[in-house]
Amino acid sequence: DTGVSQNPRHKITKRGQNVTFRCDPISEHNRLYWYRQTLGQGPEFLTYFQNEAQLEKSRLLSDRFSAERPKGSFSTLEIQRTEQGDSAMYLCASSRPTGGYGETQYFGPGTRLLVL
Amino acid sequence: DAKTTQPNSMESNEEEPVHLPCNHSTISGTDYIHWYRQLPSQGPEYVIHGLTSNVNNRMASLAIAEDRKSSTLILHRATLRDAAVYYCILRPDRGSTLGRLYFGRGTQLTVWP
Repeated sequence: DTGVSQNPRHKITKRGQNVTFRCDPISEHNRLYWYRQTLGQGPEFLTYFQNEAQLEKSRLLSDRFSAERPKGSFSTLEIQRTEQGDSAMYLCASSRPTGGYGETQYFGPGTRLLVL
Repeated sequence: DAKTTQPNSMESNEEEPVHLPCNHSTISGTDYIHWYRQLPSQGPEYVIHGLTSNVNNRMASLAIAEDRKSSTLILHRATLRDAAVYYCILRPDRGSTLGRLYFGRGTQLTVWP
């Protein structure tokens, strides 16, 4: 496995701009997750895909946020009209089902977003 | 979702054992106990998980209380590379929340040389 990769690793943007992050999961992992982590806090769940279907979304995912996984492989997370409160680390994880409770999520290194 | 309680921070000396506690008094019978850790500037990584019996792997051991209301992650010989935030997480085995992990704030482990 080459691991979960995320691009870019860092992004600085001005308030009001749109940003898009990409996540490439471990190949053959059909489950993909997005989390957000602010300083001093643990990661918070944003959304979850099984193949190309978005099965779960957190209330944290406002209408300015949209996530896609068009072919069931890589995923993108777009934030429109960024706000300073969006500054955080955005983490992607992938897994394959092993019965649910025992599955391990493999995390990427994250994309750190700073909104000025 | 069932909550966990962990100390904010703990310290250890290198090559000494470390016992990281976690309380989960509202755990249900079908919740698995998972531990992840997050090294500085990295994404979280899986450490270990269990249901009722104690578990061992190459990274750590997990000791689960008989009533399952608490558990302890054991690092047998801490190294400087074990300095990280350790998260204790309960995962239900069914239901709509199956995919997500609830991390909490975890325990910051400092390892002194």
